[in-house]
Amino acid sequence: NAGVTQTPKFRVLKTGQSMTLLCAQDMNHEYMYWYRQDPGMGLRLIHYSVGEGTTAKGEVPDGYNVSRLKKQNFLLGLESAAPSQTSVYFCASTTPGALNTEAFFGQGTRLTVV
Amino acid sequence: GNSVTQMEGPVTLSEEAFLTINCTYTATGYPSLFWYVQYPGEGLQLLLKATKADDKGSNKGFEATYRKETTSFHLEKGSVQVSDSAVYFCALRDTGRRALTFGSGTRLQVQP
Repeated sequence: NAGVTQTPKFRVLKTGQSMTLLCAQDMNHEYMYWYRQDPGMGLRLIHYSVGEGTTAKGEVPDGYNVSRLKKQNFLLGLESAAPSQTSVYFCASTTPGALNTEAFFGQGTRLTVV
Repeated sequence: GNSVTQMEGPVTLSEEAFLTINCTYTATGYPSLFWYVQYPGEGLQLLLKATKADDKGSNKGFEATYRKETTSFHLEKGSVQVSDSAVYFCALRDTGRRALTFGSGTRLQVQP
């Protein structure tokens, strides 16, 4: 059981380039999330999805787009990368229901924009 | 809005020392509270959780009690080990979008 898998694990981009981060989960979870982790700031929510075909903005959505065409996949896109988007990106998934349901995280994607 | 405040790190302890990492929160409703742990190079893993006032979450010798009167969820362990070295995140989930709101994280380093 793979859980939550993120692709790629590392990437270096030049300013202005575009890329897509892929998150795949095999737990049949309805809810999926993208966070970014920056030193001293914890994890901040970029976008999230409560089901196939739905997406919504989180706290820091600017410069990112997402798509949830299949239930098991949640894609995060950077159309024109900026140095401020240098960060570690984490995908997570969980089920609806009780508030204390555990969220499962991928291992992260370390992105550097030069 | 919701927010979580954690004590700043890094926290450096000797093996077998007592650990406390403070966490306080602000929420509009009645959130569930969590501690997640991140080991070097890995994603976050759930350490423990609590759902309502006075609930105590526990796992691997770690404990935290949901204190509604002080809006706190402090993490404690009686005797830390080198293998506990990691970054610890306090988090809450409310009835809104069901996303976790995280604190800034506290790095713990345990020395032999």
